[in-house]
Amino acid sequence: GAVVSQHPSWVICKSGTSVKIECRSLDFQATTMFWYRQFPKKSLMLMATSNEGSKATYEQGVEKDKFLINHASLTLSTLTVTSAHPEDSSFYICSVRTGSYEQYFGPGTRLTVT
Amino acid sequence: QQQVKQSPQSLIVQKGGISIINCAYENTAFDYFPWYQQFPGKGPALLIAIRPDVSEKKEGRFTISFNKSAKQFSLHIMDSQPGDSATYFCAASHTGKSTFGDGTTLTVKP
Repeated sequence: GAVVSQHPSWVICKSGTSVKIECRSLDFQATTMFWYRQFPKKSLMLMATSNEGSKATYEQGVEKDKFLINHASLTLSTLTVTSAHPEDSSFYICSVRTGSYEQYFGPGTRLTVT
Repeated sequence: QQQVKQSPQSLIVQKGGISIINCAYENTAFDYFPWYQQFPGKGPALLIAIRPDVSEKKEGRFTISFNKSAKQFSLHIMDSQPGDSATYFCAASHTGKSTFGDGTTLTVKP
């Protein structure tokens, strides 16, 4: 499988500020990464598909101007939550797709907006 | 419309027992069915997965049973251990994109 890291593991920010979360594929050249959001004791909700060198594909209902995704290299995708508000507080998880089917997840980033 | 339904929501099993978690899907285009294990505060870890061309796959204590006609699949954990206590998610994928079940919280009592 692929080893995936995320940074930071947790972050607290003030309402109205922006925060960037990095997702790195440490041992696999990832053309496709996914970003998920997970609320406490809930399932994973796919936010967007991050494609290296092209624009991300967002799921219905996800604001692309609020959740900016940049996949500038085969090992790095970033998610920027712009003008964060308390309702954006969540657990954000990225994953790397290694073939046609398999996904390997990062350890997640806990975002708290105060 | 929930595409992947998972049950039960929670499960308590004695050490050494068999844990069984069930999932049902609706979209026949799904072609890959993984199970993930997630511990609190961590990302999900791929446990075992199956393609629809086989009816069963076993890896150690973990077995997936797959019923294509019923559009159902299940995870069996044999000889369950306290260390297996976690949340388990089934998923169904098409074109590499996954839809997840709501999760099952498994507690294995010593």
